[in-house]
Amino acid sequence: GNSVTQMEGPVTLSEEAFLTINCTYTATGYPSLFWYVQYPGEGLQLLLKATKADDKGSNKGFEATYRKETTSFHLEKGSVQVSDSAVYFCALSDSGYSTLTFGKGTMLLVSP
Amino acid sequence: NAGVTQTPKFRVLKTGQSMTLLCAQDMNHEYMYWYRQDPGMGLRLIHYSVGEGTTAKGEVPDGYNVSRLKKQNFLLGLESAAPSQTSVYFCASSTPDREGSGYTFGSGTRLTVV
Repeated sequence: GNSVTQMEGPVTLSEEAFLTINCTYTATGYPSLFWYVQYPGEGLQLLLKATKADDKGSNKGFEATYRKETTSFHLEKGSVQVSDSAVYFCALSDSGYSTLTFGKGTMLLVSP
Repeated sequence: NAGVTQTPKFRVLKTGQSMTLLCAQDMNHEYMYWYRQDPGMGLRLIHYSVGEGTTAKGEVPDGYNVSRLKKQNFLLGLESAAPSQTSVYFCASSTPDREGSGYTFGSGTRLTVV
């Protein structure tokens, strides 16, 4: 079956530091890949996506590249802010009904 | 604001009680989903629906039932609540019109079963 593995958190960084959150996946076929963000007390919001190999998704300074050869979709940001503190979920979808399989989430804590 | 609305936002149940969680979306999305979120477990799919009148089981369907009588509503029922069903429940919707369009999530229902 499908699965998504994310690095465990929390990831603790100082403001303006470089961020990487690792995500690898197992899936049949050619899935679409997503990063979602969850701020405290809220639902998940789509952060970025990539639908085919070598695509780069980007939004709000975050980037992730769909690497089929390494089955990875690592999330990066060059300079994090305190407001980026949240839980980040990697997810994939490869079924005709678009059901998403999520990783367990990685908490990011950014201090001033 | 258009989107996905979940009611109630919080609820405390006693073991054995029943309740229904309501999810409503106003985006004319075809697909709707119920997930539960537990610490260290991420989000796990309970049930989903690909259209009015249709439902299907997800990864963790036991103890739950669902109905999709109207396209805009997706109800999640607990017939006899158990402490193991203490969780945060999220509803989401999506459209099949575009590949990789992603989900729109509600803000969640925090359920405690005592």
